[in-house]
Amino acid sequence: DTGVSQNPRHKITKRGQNVTFRCDPISEHNRLYWYRQTLGQGPEFLTYFQNEAQLEKSRLLSDRFSAERPKGSFSTLEIQRTEQGDSAMYLCASSRRDNNYGYTFGSGTRLTVV
Amino acid sequence: QQPVQSPQAVILREGEDAVINCSSSKALYSVHWYRQKHGEAPVFLMILLKGGEQKGHEKISASFNEKKQQSSLYLTASQLSYSGTYFCGTANNNNDMRFGAGTRLTVKP
Repeated sequence: DTGVSQNPRHKITKRGQNVTFRCDPISEHNRLYWYRQTLGQGPEFLTYFQNEAQLEKSRLLSDRFSAERPKGSFSTLEIQRTEQGDSAMYLCASSRRDNNYGYTFGSGTRLTVV
Repeated sequence: QQPVQSPQAVILREGEDAVINCSSSKALYSVHWYRQKHGEAPVFLMILLKGGEQKGHEKISASFNEKKQQSSLYLTASQLSYSGTYFCGTANNNNDMRFGAGTRLTVKP
């Protein structure tokens, strides 16, 4: 297994545009998480899936953010009408259901909104 | 709710020891520890479960005090490769995790 894969690695977009990121988790992992990280801060929880079900979404997340995991495999995170404050590293992680072996993080997608 | 880590940063000489603390205001099921090097993804170090034992491997170990809702990470005889930012992640009922703001560890020769 090649680990958790995220694409693209970098995205520069103009304010107001929509962006979509993709995450391919480790195939045996049925849990998938999205986090956002800004410089000097820890990862901030956005949402997580168990198989295809989205079980929790952060209250900090505005309606501009949406995530899907249509077949319980890969996931997409879409940000509509991007704002400069959305600039951050978006991290995806996956884990087994029992969570006892920790999360495996992808390398992230760095979003810059100009 | 985000756990609180201390200290925010620590600088060591190679071979010195360090302790990083993590505390939560909520009851915890598990505590995870991760290390992130600059420009890289966080890497899992270890997990401590409610009712579990202190864990560790080689010179990095951790403890979990359920009553105090605290965990500590112990790094002994630090090596240059230990440099990075350490995050604790806390979860209740083994669900989604919240991370602390991190402790930046710098090990100098």
